[in-house]
Amino acid sequence: DAGVIQSPRHEVTEMGQEVTLRCKPISGHDYLFWYRQTMMRGLELLIYFNNNVPIDDSGMPEDRFSAKMPNASFSTLKIQPSEPRDSAVYFCASRPTDSNQPQHFGDGTRLSIL
Amino acid sequence: RKEVEQDPGPFNVPEGATVAFNCTYSNSASQSFFWYRQDCRKEPKLLMSVYSSGNEDGRFTAQLNRASQYISLLIRDSKLSDSATYLCVVNMFTDMRFGAGTRLTVKP
Repeated sequence: DAGVIQSPRHEVTEMGQEVTLRCKPISGHDYLFWYRQTMMRGLELLIYFNNNVPIDDSGMPEDRFSAKMPNASFSTLKIQPSEPRDSAVYFCASRPTDSNQPQHFGDGTRLSIL
Repeated sequence: RKEVEQDPGPFNVPEGATVAFNCTYSNSASQSFFWYRQDCRKEPKLLMSVYSSGNEDGRFTAQLNRASQYISLLIRDSKLSDSATYLCVVNMFTDMRFGAGTRLTVKP
């Protein structure tokens, strides 16, 4: 079975540019989560969706960050404009309705803003 | 107080040693509990769920103490391949809270 699929795996871009990260959750999972991981701050939850609806975006650092889930099989995390401090690994995860089930992570996108 | 707290380590142990990690959580309404493993530059992967009665998977044993609000992970006969960061995870209805992780290095 296909796991959570993220793209791109790596992104290097200059500050000020728009960055779009993509995620395809596991089929049948109706929860989708976006995380950011850095050495300094560890794994941080940015936002999560249930049935394509954003439920909690309190972890989104600022207005430069936005996330969408237009359908059950696709989500994007956008940063505009990007800044060097946004450099991190961004993970997408999904899980089924049952809250006792664990989340499954994608491979992550390693983002470097120069 | 953080919602999920772990000793960051690092734990440096020889092969064959037994090592234990503890994790405490603050929300008594937490529903389910997990240990994840994360290798360097990789995504977190589920190691095992943690059940109230305690559970074992090969060399790994997980325990939950709801009264004291902590969970533990015991690794017996540690292998070089066990070297990784171990994340304690607490599920609270709609989202998971991750501990900062405990770094383990197993040496020959």
